[in-house]
Amino acid sequence: DVKVTQSSRYLVKRTGEKVFLECVQDMDHENMFWYRQDPGLGLRLIYFSYDVKMKEKGDIPEGYSVSREKKERFSLILESASTNQTSMYLCASSLGRRGNIQYFGAGTRLSVL
Amino acid sequence: SQQGEEDPQALSIQEGENATMNCSYKTSINNLQWYRQNSGRGLVHLILIRSNEREKHSGRLRVTLDTSKKSSSLLITASRAADTASYFCATALAHNTDKLIFGTGTRLQVFP
Repeated sequence: DVKVTQSSRYLVKRTGEKVFLECVQDMDHENMFWYRQDPGLGLRLIYFSYDVKMKEKGDIPEGYSVSREKKERFSLILESASTNQTSMYLCASSLGRRGNIQYFGAGTRLSVL
Repeated sequence: SQQGEEDPQALSIQEGENATMNCSYKTSINNLQWYRQNSGRGLVHLILIRSNEREKHSGRLRVTLDTSKKSSSLLITASRAADTASYFCATALAHNTDKLIFGTGTRLQVFP
């Protein structure tokens, strides 16, 4: 079974802190994704990566950056956390670039105070 | 409105009843997928239907796709309390299959 692991289930950070959300997948998938999920807004794509050191902006990249130094790991970085980044963050991975099935981690619920 | 919109936003039924959720989209697709999310958890893939397919079954799930109406439906037959979750459709666009576009979901509550 594909396993996508997010490093934390819950995080509480203060405004202005630098925040790292880590995601690791164990199925050698090329593609990895970061979403945020807010009530009534569904899933919105922040960034995705289709190869090591490659990244593409999603629909809401402002205030975020990403890093993919190894194929299995995709990190989401909040350079200076703000209260409006309080949300549920979901990481996913998929094989190939043909609209394939995505496998999700359990999510990280981030609160920025 | 967004590429994928589910209807209804919320649905409450009794165990044993069927649940039908609909998804509409705007632009041509390569495929359409349905995912399930239990409260506070990640999404789990349920079923994928390609643009040249009209119907697909998986256990108690039946998905239909009407590309002329740009719509899909997910039917869960003989619902169980354990089916209580949110259900999302996601589309892979025909001209850009790098990513999926998710709808806002239907929240299904199945009462014992």
